[in-house]
Amino acid sequence: QLQLQESGPGLVKPSETLSLTCTVSGASVISNLCYWAWIRQTPERGLEWIGNICSSGTTYYNPSLKSRLTISIDSSKNQFSLKLSSVTAADTAIYYCAKTFSGFPNWFPSWGRGTLVTVSS
Amino acid sequence: DIVMTQSPDSLAVSLGERATINCKSSQSVFYSSTNKHYLAWYQQKPGQPPILLISWASARESGVPDRFSGSGSGTDFTLTITRLQAEDVAVYYCQQYLTTPITFGGGTRVEIK
Repeated sequence: QLQLQESGPGLVKPSETLSLTCTVSGASVISNLCYWAWIRQTPERGLEWIGNICSSGTTYYNPSLKSRLTISIDSSKNQFSLKLSSVTAADTAIYYCAKTFSGFPNWFPSWGRGTLVTVSS
Repeated sequence: DIVMTQSPDSLAVSLGERATINCKSSQSVFYSSTNKHYLAWYQQKPGQPPILLISWASARESGVPDRFSGSGSGTDFTLTITRLQAEDVAVYYCQQYLTTPITFGGGTRVEIK
């Protein structure tokens, strides 16, 4: 059974880099499709797709975040990661990792429980 | 970007009655080559991640009760909950996956009247 678990600091200072990792169990991150995604949620902006990464390393980013965003895969640990630089209070959100159905773009049948990241000094 | 607009923001429905949630896309999410609408619906309860209910506008996910149904075409879609149950209290979201960036509606909160 597929499980996704986010991990990382819950508090990040403004202007610093937010880093999160998603550990995948029950599936391999090096499958051939672009399954792996990050999504965030805030009361103000609702659900916001951040980006997807394929096992090849190809990435698809939300243009609104692209200049600050890096998503990567670590096949040795069966994980994928998110780095968002130069954060502000507007980046405070619940961050979810998710698995896309059968490639990209597509819907999200599997989600992690989410992790709250607060940007504050 | 395709903007997804849901209405109403919230609604209160009596147990056993019907709840109707609307989702409008700023452009069609229909792709003629596949003859499909690239539209999904999710349910989210407090403190939990969203749960997929419906894909392709009307295809119910395995295990989703048949009181949940999706309909619509082009730019206008509806999620209907017939015979509302107490466990259906949640926020419901639509999502388009025709193009990037993937976008979600703002959500509709369903409560018991």
